[in-house]
Amino acid sequence: GAVVSQHPSRVICKSGTSVKIECRSLDFQATTMFWYRQFPKQSLMLMATSNEGSKATYEQGVEKDKFLINHASLTLSTLTVTSAHPEDSSFYICSARAFVGNTGELFFGEGSRLTVL
Amino acid sequence: GDSVTQMEGPVTLSEEAFLTINCTYTATGYPSLFWYVQYPGEGLQLLLKATKADDKGSNKGFEATYRKETTSFHLEKGSVQVSDSAVYFCALRGNTPLVFGKGTRLSVIA
Repeated sequence: GAVVSQHPSRVICKSGTSVKIECRSLDFQATTMFWYRQFPKQSLMLMATSNEGSKATYEQGVEKDKFLINHASLTLSTLTVTSAHPEDSSFYICSARAFVGNTGELFFGEGSRLTVL
Repeated sequence: GDSVTQMEGPVTLSEEAFLTINCTYTATGYPSLFWYVQYPGEGLQLLLKATKADDKGSNKGFEATYRKETTSFHLEKGSVQVSDSAVYFCALRGNTPLVFGKGTRLSVIA
């Protein structure tokens, strides 16, 4: 199947710094990518929908100034956690939709674990 | 809104045991239903899916049947292996990209 890659897989940062997470579709073009956040023992929560060349659409309760999303090309979306705090520590997962025939299956990245000290 | 409820884990089984992970959903219209699996240290992978009532999705020995009358999509496997140890997520896609259940951790011991 299609491959989605995230980088970095793990990152530790100090409180107040910003962290950028990249999500790349390696063998297909993705006009739409999705960013999820996974808390321990919790479900994946959709944070935002990233559309190539336009502003991201954020879910209710997600601070768009806190979680900056840029989808500058058909193969790359970035999530920047600005002025990170310990409560931002989480597992962030991106996904991209690859169209095979008439179906649009979602493929997920490996996830990025952020720890804010 | 749309939601998914799946049984809480962790579930611990011996190798070759029968597995059932319950999943029920609430949605308007006719959503597509999915099971995703997350192996240790890896991202989510689609395990199987069903797009309409009475469809049965199957893959790697796992099966799930889309039951509209009971709004359920239970995951089953007749004989689990140690390599099946992972977290399993039930999900639906209605008018939103995907709505996930909380996940069920399965541990299979030899």
